[in-house]
Amino acid sequence: EVQLVESGGGLVKPGRSLRLSCTASGFTFGDYAMSWFRQAPGKGLEWVGFIRSKAYGGTTEYAASVKGRFTISRDDSKSIAYLQMNSLKTEDTAVYYCTRLVVVTAPAAYWGQGTLVTVSS
Amino acid sequence: EIVLTQSPGTLSLSPGERATLSCRASQSVSSSYLAWYQQKPGQAPRLLIYGASSRATGIPDRFSGSGSGTDFTLTISRLEPEDFAVYYCQQYGSSPRFGQGTKVEIK
Repeated sequence: EVQLVESGGGLVKPGRSLRLSCTASGFTFGDYAMSWFRQAPGKGLEWVGFIRSKAYGGTTEYAASVKGRFTISRDDSKSIAYLQMNSLKTEDTAVYYCTRLVVVTAPAAYWGQGTLVTVSS
Repeated sequence: EIVLTQSPGTLSLSPGERATLSCRASQSVSSSYLAWYQQKPGQAPRLLIYGASSRATGIPDRFSGSGSGTDFTLTISRLEPEDFAVYYCQQYGSSPRFGQGTKVEIK
């Protein structure tokens, strides 16, 4: 069974950093792209970014709203994807979800339960 | 940048009724890259439809998707109690985008 478990969320002050983890199980992690989405309280869904599998270069793409501040990485040996968030802003407050993609041009069939990040002074 | 606009914002229906949800894109979307998701309170989204009309694994056949170009539709043929939720359309691929959602509520 495919499982994705996010961790690392919490309360952080504006301008600070936070790293989220997405621990995967039930599939060969290295064969898949991984993507992060977020949802601000009471709002809709927003794509954050994704990382391709090593077979496709392991490269990353980001939404304009986070480009230059957020970094996605992966450790295939541990089956973990990371979202490093720097220079956090209050508007980054959201539930962050990781998802598994067959390739980056695929829909997100598997989602984690999400982890809440609150950016507030 | 593609903008997806969903209508209506809220749909008030009774169990057993038919629900028709619309998603209109600001420019043409390849049908291969249009999906629909269901989200219930406190839960992650669930993929219902991909490629505009293909049901995801385990999705009941009362859910169907159609459309092409800039106009797409999600139809729920007969609403079950568990179908009352928020529904999002999504253009996936490079720079994925979502519509703002349609809430299907019990009348």
